[in-house]
Amino acid sequence: GQNIDQPTEMTATEGAIVQINCTYQTSGFNGLFWYQQHAGEAPTFLSYNVLDGLEEKGRFSSFLSRSKGYSYLLLKELQMKDSASYLCAVRFPEYNNNDMRFGAGTRLTVKP
Amino acid sequence: DAGITQSPRYKITETGRQVTLMCHQTWSHSYMFWYRQDLGHGLRLIYYSAAADITDKGEVPDGYVVSRSKTENFPLTLESATRSQTSVYFCASSPLKDRGRFGANVLTFGAGSRLTVL
Repeated sequence: GQNIDQPTEMTATEGAIVQINCTYQTSGFNGLFWYQQHAGEAPTFLSYNVLDGLEEKGRFSSFLSRSKGYSYLLLKELQMKDSASYLCAVRFPEYNNNDMRFGAGTRLTVKP
Repeated sequence: DAGITQSPRYKITETGRQVTLMCHQTWSHSYMFWYRQDLGHGLRLIYYSAAADITDKGEVPDGYVVSRSKTENFPLTLESATRSQTSVYFCASSPLKDRGRFGANVLTFGAGSRLTVL
């Protein structure tokens, strides 16, 4: 199977910047997604990368390096409401084009 | 209301019982998915469907059955529930054509169904 690795937990301070990393096996890569999931709620889409580089969307940015099998999600000006789990998901074409594999998620706690 | 809805939100059942989780979406999305979420495993795909009457297995299909007679509905049935099937189940949908760049096929998830098998 395809391994997708991300840290289990992170803690950061309100107003700070935090970077959440995600690594995956590079064979057959076909797109990487980041989702946010608040406790007890459904995941919601944050960002998508298929080409190398940085995608910026407000306070959130996502970076991809396909050759290294590496992505990160950058959260700036952290707010208390950013406390949530962040899920990295990779689409591999060996599966159906709409089949993705999710990492176990990184639980971010933002402290005052 | 527009969106994707799951029912029931919470269910407690006993080992060996049949349970059906319902999923309904109002966007006419072609693709629908069932995931289970367990601590330490993240989201794992159970079954998916590309269109009405077309379904296929995902990563962990054993013990589950799906059907899709109508585009908007995608029920998941546990024919004989086991304790290992205690989990949170998420239904999701995505359009055939993406609404972003480069074929993103973003998933929109329902609120989840928390199932406990005693």
